[in-house]
Amino acid sequence: EPEVTQTPSHQVTQMGQEVILRCVPISNHLYFYWYRQILGQKVEFLVSFYNNEISEKSEIFDDQFSVERPDGSNFTLKIRSTKLEDSAMYFCASRLGGYQETQYFGPGTRLLVL
Amino acid sequence: GENVEQHPSTLSVQEGDSAVIKCTYSDSASNYFPWYKQELGKRPQLIIDIRSNVGEKKDQRIAVTLNKTAKHFSLHITETQPEDSAVYFCAATNQAGTALIFGKGTTLSVSS
Repeated sequence: EPEVTQTPSHQVTQMGQEVILRCVPISNHLYFYWYRQILGQKVEFLVSFYNNEISEKSEIFDDQFSVERPDGSNFTLKIRSTKLEDSAMYFCASRLGGYQETQYFGPGTRLLVL
Repeated sequence: GENVEQHPSTLSVQEGDSAVIKCTYSDSASNYFPWYKQELGKRPQLIIDIRSNVGEKKDQRIAVTLNKTAKHFSLHITETQPEDSAVYFCAATNQAGTALIFGKGTTLSVSS
C-alpha cells in the first residue's frame, strides 16, 4: 500500500539556521499538507497546497516558513531562521482529492532546535 | 475559526470494556470528522471517519456517531484490547474545508 514518506526522520539544528524538511506524497494525490506536533500536544495545521500554490495557511505559518513542490514527487517545508519554539514533530500529509477526504500522514520529522 | 474540544484527556479501562471519547466542534460548516490513532513516536493513522450527511458509522469494534445539531461526535470502541492503547485524536475540517483541526487527544490505556 502506498505511503507518504518523509526525510530526514530526525534533524538537529542551531537556532537561526535554515532547515528543509522533505516529503514524498502518495503519487496520485493532489492535496498536500504540513502539520506540526509539539511534544505531548495536539497536531496543528500549518499549510495546505494544491495546484502548485498555497490554498490555506494557519497563523503559525508566518514569513519564516515556505513550501515548495520542486518536482513531480517532492513537497518541502523550509524554515528560514529556526527558533527554539520550532522544535516539534513535523508531519506531511496528502489527500487524493475530489470526494476522497482522507488525509494520509507521513512518519514525521522530529526537529530539535538548540 | 474552527475549535475542537476533546474529552476525556485520559481514559483507563479493563480489557473487554467499552471506551467512549467525545468531541465538540464550533464551526457549523465543518462536514468531515475523522478519528486518528497515534502510537508513541508514530504517525497518526486514520481509524474511522464520518461525513456530515451520516449520523453513525461502524467498522467492527469501532463506531462513530455524529450529532450535527449539537455539534458533537463520539468514538466508541467495544471489547477493548491492550493493543488499543494509544492516543486518539478527533478532528474536523475547517471552514474552508481544506485543513483538519485536531482535538487535544485522549490517552487510552487498556489493561489486561
